[in-house]
Amino acid sequence: DQQVKQNSPSLSVQEGRISILNCDYTNSMFDYFLWYKKYPAEGPTFLISISSIKDKNEDGRFTVFLNKSAKHLSLHIVPSQPGDSAVYFCAASGNNQGGKLIFGQGTELSVKP
Amino acid sequence: GAVVSQHPSWVICKSGTSVKIECRSLDFQATTMFWYRQFPKQSLMLMATSNEGSKATYEQGVEKDKFLINHASLTLSTLTVTSAHPEDSSFYICSARPPKGVNTEAFFGQGTRLTVV
Repeated sequence: DQQVKQNSPSLSVQEGRISILNCDYTNSMFDYFLWYKKYPAEGPTFLISISSIKDKNEDGRFTVFLNKSAKHLSLHIVPSQPGDSAVYFCAASGNNQGGKLIFGQGTELSVKP
Repeated sequence: GAVVSQHPSWVICKSGTSVKIECRSLDFQATTMFWYRQFPKQSLMLMATSNEGSKATYEQGVEKDKFLINHASLTLSTLTVTSAHPEDSSFYICSARPPKGVNTEAFFGQGTRLTVV
């Protein structure tokens, strides 16, 4: 039962363009969503988060959009840079879940110069 | 941001032996820590929630006798893989969330690559 889904295993974008990574969830009790960036053999690094009371949160080149009715969120990176190439994980948590994060399968982003 | 340190970063052990992995929160106290496992090209699967001063809570399908968790202090949780077998080879990652509110980001350790030969 995959509660958090990232249906695109990979994404390739040209440098300078926008990268859009998508994430869907099924559990309506989730109220906090996060995006992490991960390199092989390293732990994930926190990027940006959004609470369910908002529909947008922006931090520099990174913007997360939340559509609660569709149970969908997306991460926009603009402009994309080669250093953004990594695996991006979407994660969700809920007040009734003891603080644990449930992760999607990840999307491997490749930004080409 | 907050720092979570994991040790060792990699370990090779013989089949049948036990391996202990440590997870420390360096600049905050964590009553709860989380242990994840990641197979190549796959997601981070939550194994268990480590609770300071009490028993860990294991996710469905995770053998509690195989993966022993101890959270003896507010800054240290350990995961011991007992009687390790080659199928236990994986990337193990711990995380903790600073207690600064309801919704906070979780910080992750560097991960431990376990190879059982």
